[in-house]
Amino acid sequence: EAGVAQSPRYKIIEKRQSVAFWCNPISGHATLYWYQQILGQGPKLLIQFQNNGVVDDSQLPKDRFSAERLKGVDSTLKIQPAKLEDSAVYLCASSFTGSGISGANVLTFGAGSRLTVL
Amino acid sequence: SQELEQSPQSLIVQEGKNLTINCTSSKTLYGLYWYKQKYGEGLIFLMMLQKGGEEKSHEKITAKLDEKKQQSSLHITASQPSHAGIYLCGADGGTSYGKLTFGQGTILTVHP
Repeated sequence: EAGVAQSPRYKIIEKRQSVAFWCNPISGHATLYWYQQILGQGPKLLIQFQNNGVVDDSQLPKDRFSAERLKGVDSTLKIQPAKLEDSAVYLCASSFTGSGISGANVLTFGAGSRLTVL
Repeated sequence: SQELEQSPQSLIVQEGKNLTINCTSSKTLYGLYWYKQKYGEGLIFLMMLQKGGEEKSHEKITAKLDEKKQQSSLHITASQPSHAGIYLCGADGGTSYGKLTFGQGTILTVHP
């Protein structure tokens, strides 16, 4: 099966500019996640979608970050305006369910989009 | 909120040596997941543990979840350069509807 697709792989922008990342999950996966991974740290969840609804966006900096998952398939994460501290790898992941069944929900990750803010 | 602490933060071994990476949780672990990440790439799923005392193996990698379910270990036997990368443990918190909280990762370097 095809994996989780992300684009672009790399993006360099100046601070205060905007950027958008795109993710296409594995076909049939209802749950989609966006994680931020700063160099030297583990991934941190930004937002979780179940189909086209938001399950958890408690750690999303909503003054500058936004995400949508129209039609419950692919998703876009936007940053506007970008700050230096937004330099990170943005990882998209998907899973078949997000049903709360502990231990039964393997996340499949994309290759990530590396953002550098100058 | 649940926090995961991994140790060591980095590890350098000679090819053929055994090694262990630990993951300690601030709360009881329900679903514990191990992933591997190559630099600049996404995470690759290795194994998932649920039950206290559970042990799983795949090729030369063995993962265990202790009886009290607050610590997991990942053991690599006879390491190879292909094992090099960042190892991450993640926990699903039991009722968190799938999302994973990750440790900070352990960087493994294997010298030929």
